Amino acid sequence: DAKTTQPPSMDCAEGRAANLPCNHSTISGNEYVYWYRQIHSQGPQYIIHGLKNNETNEMASLIITEDRKSSTLILPHATLRDTAVYYCIVRVREYQLIWGAGTKLIIKP
Amino acid sequence: DAGITQSPRHKVTETGTPVTLRCHQTENHRYMYWYRQDPGHGLRLIHYSYGVKDTDKGEVSDGYSVSRSKTEDFLLTLESATSSQTSVYFCAISESGLPGPPKETQYFGPGTRLLVL
Repeated sequence: DAKTTQPPSMDCAEGRAANLPCNHSTISGNEYVYWYRQIHSQGPQYIIHGLKNNETNEMASLIITEDRKSSTLILPHATLRDTAVYYCIVRVREYQLIWGAGTKLIIKP
Repeated sequence: DAGITQSPRHKVTETGTPVTLRCHQTENHRYMYWYRQDPGHGLRLIHYSYGVKDTDKGEVSDGYSVSRSKTEDFLLTLESATSSQTSVYFCAISESGLPGPPKETQYFGPGTRLLVL
């Protein structure tokens, strides 16, 4: 039932930009894309969300393609503390976020 | 960080016994949620609440019940625990359930690890 597809794992060098892709080809016009991360089995942490336009906050940037079928989360200067599982989520029904398995991002020194 | 606490943080119990997990928030948010997470998987919604005494089922509600008698507390009960309910349980809150962030954005507690022997 997951509406998003992410690579299971990625590596990134410390200090470099980490670019995490997500495919959501069946997204509806009014469905937002959310990104969360989970560090070592802690509670998931909200990162950013978007609908059509690119978004940026203090944690990350979100780039959404014009057709909205995919997006990329960018951590501009990855640190070791950014090692986590990153989830791309589309809200598919009222009150409910459908979570996939996410991308395990490993930041290497 | 959102003011969300869960208790207990860890619990070991035996098959057939009742178990109650508590989620407490200090944000006065209207919506509260219970999820479970199993190894290698994302979160799955068990039940949610959209107000005091207003609750509804999620995708994996069998074997679970919930209650919300106060805005700040949301209880999850396993009536008769089974080994398949061994999992990590997360509580979440949101200001609103209506479409569109930021009020719809969910914030999560630290989780409860439950082991059913």
